[in-house]
Amino acid sequence: GQQLNQSPQSMFIQEGEDVSMNCTSSSIFNTWLWYKQDPGEGPVLLIALYKAGELTSNGRLTAQFGITRKDSFLNISASIPSDVGIYFCAGYNAGGTSYGKLTFGQGTILTVHP
Amino acid sequence: DGGITQSPKYLFRKEGQNVTLSCEQNLNHDAMYWYRQDPGQGLRLIYYSQIVNDFQKGDIAEGYSVSREKKESFPLTVTSAQKNPTAFYLCASSPGPPDLPQDNSPLHFGNGTRLTVT
Repeated sequence: GQQLNQSPQSMFIQEGEDVSMNCTSSSIFNTWLWYKQDPGEGPVLLIALYKAGELTSNGRLTAQFGITRKDSFLNISASIPSDVGIYFCAGYNAGGTSYGKLTFGQGTILTVHP
Repeated sequence: DGGITQSPKYLFRKEGQNVTLSCEQNLNHDAMYWYRQDPGQGLRLIYYSQIVNDFQKGDIAEGYSVSREKKESFPLTVTSAQKNPTAFYLCASSPGPPDLPQDNSPLHFGNGTRLTVT
């Protein structure tokens, strides 16, 4: 099955720094999602993007749905220690029989030093 | 509170034994999914079910089996045929098919079961 190409694989940053990660795909999606996973927990949805070119914010998080529908990025501003975790992008095509079947990136492991 | 419950949190089995992972949801969602997570590989879809008494293979179904006899329950059996069963298993659910993409609530995940087979 297809997987998305997510980068970077890991990041080590100082508290207060901004973070940027992105995802690319060889095929288009009509929905892009960003999830965060804390150790030993299930992923939690951070931001959902439904329209090409859409820029959406959730607090210190900002995500964009690429114009080509083949990519997305997530920015975290002014990072804090609780931002630590694994961030996953996911794409899917809602509608028809494919709803809910997500294709995930490999994840970006974020470490924030106080 | 509505949510997805996976049990147990940790599971240990000997090689050659079948093991069943539990997943229950009280969100009244039609669709349920099982994903497998390995380090550095993201999440991969094992099986999914969009309605009771029906399920479909995902990308890595070999060595696994599921049933969907009730809307709220979607147990996963890891059989002895699965060559590398040690992994973190995540169950998820979502509402039924949407008319528009933004009407669909993305997946809600449980907190996972870590299976170790030795």
